Amino acid sequence: AQSVAQPEDQVNVAEGNPLTVKCTYSVSGNPYLFWYVQYPNRGLQFLLKYITGDNLVKGSYGFEAEFNKSQTSFHLKKPSALVSDSALYFCAVPPRGHSGNTGKLIFGQGTTLQVKP
Amino acid sequence: DAGVTQSPTHLIKTRGQHVTLRCSPISGHKSVSWYQQVLGQGPQFIFQYYEKEERGRGNFPDRFSARQFPNYSSELNVNALLLGDSALYLCASSGAHEQYFGPGTRLTVT
Repeated sequence: AQSVAQPEDQVNVAEGNPLTVKCTYSVSGNPYLFWYVQYPNRGLQFLLKYITGDNLVKGSYGFEAEFNKSQTSFHLKKPSALVSDSALYFCAVPPRGHSGNTGKLIFGQGTTLQVKP
Repeated sequence: DAGVTQSPTHLIKTRGQHVTLRCSPISGHKSVSWYQQVLGQGPQFIFQYYEKEERGRGNFPDRFSARQFPNYSSELNVNALLLGDSALYLCASSGAHEQYFGPGTRLTVT
């Protein structure tokens, strides 16, 4: 079955420093991978996705993610963190056989990002 | 253009009652999905509807049901509420490339 794992419950980083939020995946076939962010008491906001093509995907709010097939990873990165980036981040993948269906996703357990001033 | 809207924002129910949650998708989107997010976990897929037909169902009991109307809005119904149904219920509508989520309905079962 398709799945994603986020090995860190929380990531702490100082404002202005680079940040990385980790995600590893287990899928059959070509992976479709997504990152979403959730601010307190809010729904999820789409950040970026990988379908095919360049391994470095650029997304919203200055975030990017690097797809690494050999390490089965899709880590979220940002060169310089802001306090306002503090939120809950989710990696996600469509279920098997539903790669083209954007309406059904399997989410990781989430990583809380804390950016300290 | 309005995003995905959900009502109500918050809801408190007693065990055994039923609840109806509502969702309006982004204009032009024909697919609506429902997710349950328990505190401290990622969202879990419940249902997807497309063009008023069920397109997928997650691992939830038959107490959970949904439907989609001709204007593509949707309702999620939960019968015989249990304490464990307390969660944030998220609705999402899908375009060609990604899902857009609403702010959610916070359901508390006491």
